[in-house]
Amino acid sequence: DTEVTQTPKHLVMGMTNKKSLKCEQHMGHRAMYWYKQKAKKPPELMFVYSYEKLSINESVPSRFSPECPNSSLLNLHLHALQPEDSALYLCASSQNREGSYEQYFGPGTRLTVT
Amino acid sequence: AQTVTQSQPEMSVQEAETVTLSCTYDTSESDYYLFWYKQPPSRQMILVIRQEAYKQQNATENRFSVNFQKAAKSFSLKISDSQLGDAAMYFCASELNTGFQKLVFGTGTRLLVSP
Repeated sequence: DTEVTQTPKHLVMGMTNKKSLKCEQHMGHRAMYWYKQKAKKPPELMFVYSYEKLSINESVPSRFSPECPNSSLLNLHLHALQPEDSALYLCASSQNREGSYEQYFGPGTRLTVT
Repeated sequence: AQTVTQSQPEMSVQEAETVTLSCTYDTSESDYYLFWYKQPPSRQMILVIRQEAYKQQNATENRFSVNFQKAAKSFSLKISDSQLGDAAMYFCASELNTGFQKLVFGTGTRLLVSP
């Protein structure tokens, strides 16, 4: 199983709502990532978890709150978002040993903030 | 800091022909990795090919090969015998071997394939 799943596929939320994005993988990967991708742009790294601990936060606003409850699951909690936060949110996972390993991407959640 | 530059926003190729996508990068480090990722419309991003900077031999994966010029900091992707399914956005990316697995992407090249 080389799949990263993300739910929901689409999400529309108001600026006062609280919602969560979910990402799951069962490949035994110990590194998981959140990216934000605007239309026709490359993915921008937001957060990296390594062995369920936050290892990189790319100065993301606090209205985005990541959580890694276990090695297979990654959540992104959303609160008080702005319209400019509308984007495709990608999750990825990879092995976490010395060296570089392929990142496996999920299909993404398309978020619209109204 | 790492930077990755893709100077071709869009490229076109006919089926069965060969196309080369360009990528240049800049880093002061000596230990890094380079990648080409493919993102088809509304589909998942997948790894096409990767190159370790310490390896002189160019990586190949079936119809995909790279031309890695370390001194020139150039990393182009050649797609041979192009197929309709190759149509996608292609991102060049680099990653330092620091253990943090932080990918830096270029702006992407949209590849159009015509019958």
